[in-house]
Parts: sequence; structure tokens; C-alpha cells
Amino acid sequence: KAGVTQTPRYLIKTRGQQVTLSCSPISGHRSVSWYQQTPGQGLQFLFEYFSETQRNKGNFPGRFSGRQFSNSRSEMNVSTLELGDSALYLCASSYTAGMGEKLFFGSGTQLSVL
Amino acid sequence: AQSVTQPDIHITVSEGASLELRCNYSYGATPYLFWYVQSPGQGLQLLLKYFSGDTLVQGIKGFEAEFKRSQSSFNLRKPSVHWSDAAEYFCAVGADSGYSTLTFGKGTMLLVSP
Repeated sequence: KAGVTQTPRYLIKTRGQQVTLSCSPISGHRSVSWYQQTPGQGLQFLFEYFSETQRNKGNFPGRFSGRQFSNSRSEMNVSTLELGDSALYLCASSYTAGMGEKLFFGSGTQLSVL
Repeated sequence: AQSVTQPDIHITVSEGASLELRCNYSYGATPYLFWYVQSPGQGLQLLLKYFSGDTLVQGIKGFEAEFKRSQSSFNLRKPSVHWSDAAEYFCAVGADSGYSTLTFGKGTMLLVSP
């Protein structure tokens, strides 16, 4: 069974641009979560989707948004990029979205904002 | 709100020696606790998980962790470290929102010396 696939693997953008990251979960998984990883802040939860509905959202500004499609694939978008948005963005999928559910992580998208 | 503290940023262990990585959590109810490992440039892989039952949990790759409610700790151990164990280790607690959202510690980087 294929793992969680994130594309692109690396991305370089300039301040003010917007970016869209993609995540394909493990087949049969209906929940997708996004995390931002930076050296200073560590891993921080962005949002979680289940069956195309956002179920939970972290403490990030409205520039960060996401969505989930009927095939469970998810995208996240960051508008008006800032230097501080440079990070590794990790997507995780799980079969359901329940507490204690095992998360399977992708290798991430490394975003650099210049 | 829940929180996780990993007091050691870096730990160096000789190959073949035993390992203990510390994790303290703050959570109002019975926690879901996890240990994940991240190799350079990779996503996170689940080592083990605790929710209830036996307080000593066995995981993959020879790791185990012990839940101690009185100390709010969930330390990760391995009796004999291999060079391939060099990676960053993250302790996490399940959210109190009822979702699969995780709150991570800042991580402990394990270095293995020959």
C-alpha cells in the first residue's frame, strides 16, 4: 500500500506570492491533517479534514487555508507569503479522525520564502 | 490545553549503550501519548502509542516507553542503541478536543557515537 504522498517536495517562493501544497493520503484513509515544522516552533498543528469537512483548526492566521476533495486528497494554500512561512509542511492521514488515531506522515514539502 | 516537554535537545549515546529519552506532558484527563521518530528529510514514523492498560508499551525497532501518571512522564527507552537509531524523536499527546490532533514536544536529537 502506498504511503502518504506530498507534492512538490521542495518549493521556493518570494514574499507576497501564494502557494498550494498537495497531499494524497493512504488509500482508504479519510482524515488528513497538516502540520508546520520549523526549527524555532517545532511541529504545530494547522488543520484537520475529514470527509471534506474541516473538523479542527490550529492557531494560524487566515492566510493559511485548506480543503479536502471527495477522493480524500487535500490541498493547503498559503497566501501573501511571509519569510516566517518558510518551513517543512507535513501532511498526515488516518483512517478516521478519532482521538488516539494513528497518524501516517508524508515526507513533507519544504517551502522556502525569499 | 495540553503541552509536552522534552527537556533534552540533544543526547549522545555510544553504540550498544542503553537509551532513555524524557518526556513530560500536561493534560487534564487520561492522555493518548505517542513517540514518533524523524530521520533527516523525512516525515514522522510512529514508534509506539499509549492510551490505557499496561503502562509499559512495546513499540517497533526495539523501543519501549513507560507511562507514569504520578510523574506525568512517558519516557522512551531502548536497551541497546544502533547507529541507525540516530534521528530526532518527538513525544506527542492527543488533543483534548476529541480529534486526532497531536501536540508535539520540541524534539530530542539523538546522536550515536561509534
